[in-house]
This record gives sequence, structure tokens and C-alpha cells, in this order.
Amino acid sequence: GAGVSQSPSNKVTEKGKDVELRCDPISGHTALYWYRQSLGQGLEFLIYFQGNSAPDKSGLPSDRFSAERTGGSVSTLTIQRTQQEDSAVYLCASSLAPGLGTDTQYFGPGTRLTVL
Amino acid sequence: ELKVEQNPLFLSMQEGKNYTIYCNYSTTSDRLYWYRQDPGKSLESLFVLLSNGAVKQEGRLMASLDTKARLSTLHITAAVHDLSATYFCAVDGYGGSQGNLIFGKGTKLSVKP
Repeated sequence: GAGVSQSPSNKVTEKGKDVELRCDPISGHTALYWYRQSLGQGLEFLIYFQGNSAPDKSGLPSDRFSAERTGGSVSTLTIQRTQQEDSAVYLCASSLAPGLGTDTQYFGPGTRLTVL
Repeated sequence: ELKVEQNPLFLSMQEGKNYTIYCNYSTTSDRLYWYRQDPGKSLESLFVLLSNGAVKQEGRLMASLDTKARLSTLHITAAVHDLSATYFCAVDGYGGSQGNLIFGKGTKLSVKP
């Protein structure tokens, strides 16, 4: 079936504006993850969902960042009052069952966020 | 704090040569992953290594895992230009139960004709 999809692919915004990034995981995948990739920090984990619950939010960099997942499927990452340091590629991944030994995370194409 | 270190970070090779990328991690982990990323693209899963001594091969790439040494290697045999990409290793942040991955900084491989 289809892979992980993300929208928009690119987003340019002004400092101080709010943005919403969307992720559609692979159908049937119970786990969903958000990561951020930037030149300075590499790939960083942000948040993990199992179903609609987020047992691990430890990677969210500040309270300006929030995420939700509805219907065990689509997830939205919201960044409020964007800052220039938020500029990065935001990657979403999904996996079938994190407890299984062979579980693999499949990544979407990412959303490139530029904060001017 | 779990740390994952890759070396080298940059690797320029000639076609036909062999080389190895190293991935060290700082604490015990049940699983180790290798991903490939082409410029402007997302991450593609290459290998999942589950146990000590695990070895997996796909084409010109072979990955191995030594959990006692906390070391994984990605060996490239007779490199070709199509292998040019950035390669990341990653381990589970929570020993496999939740799956948030901790990534190395990546090794940018350039294979020249």
C-alpha cells in the first residue's frame, strides 16, 4: 500500500506565526513518531504515539510544540509562535508494532519548514 | 544519556574499493538500525539487527552487530556510484520497548568513478 505521507512538503512562515504539519501513517500502523532533522542537531526524536496516546513526549523542545493523533491514524504537529531556530525538516515515521523484534520505522518524505 | 557515534562522518571512495562505516553506542540496546538517505529525500530502511553476532547483507552492503562491544559496522564491497548517500545508524532509546530512535550524525558517502 501507500507509504507515509506528509503535508505540506514545504512551508515558509514568518517568525511568530503558528504552523501545522500533517502526517498520514501507513494504514494499520499503530505507532507514529515525529522527528526533526537540522544541520546543527542532526536527527532528533520529538514525540511518539501509540494509538492516540503519546506515552513519550520527551523530545518536544518547548511548550510551543504540541502534537495530537486522532482515530489512530492522522497526526498533526503544531508549532506556535515559530522562531528561526525551528527551521528544519520535520519527519514523520510509522511502525506496525514497537514491541516486535523486527519492527521497523518507515519514514515519510518530510516537511521542510523555513521561518523567516 | 544514550549516545550514538558514527565514523567517519565523511567518506570519499573510488568505485570498486571496499570500506567500513562504524557505529558505536553508549548503552545496551536490543536493536540497531541502518538507514540510507539520498539528498533531499527521506530515510530508507536498510537493516534491522536484533542480536549479538547478527549479520545481514543486501547487495554490496553488509551490516553486523556486536552487542558486547556496542558496535555495529556497515561494510561496503566494491563500491559503485549508486551507493552515494548518507548512511545513519540508530538504536532504540528505550531498549526496544517504545522505539523512539537515537540516531548517529550520519556518514556522507561519495563514490567517485
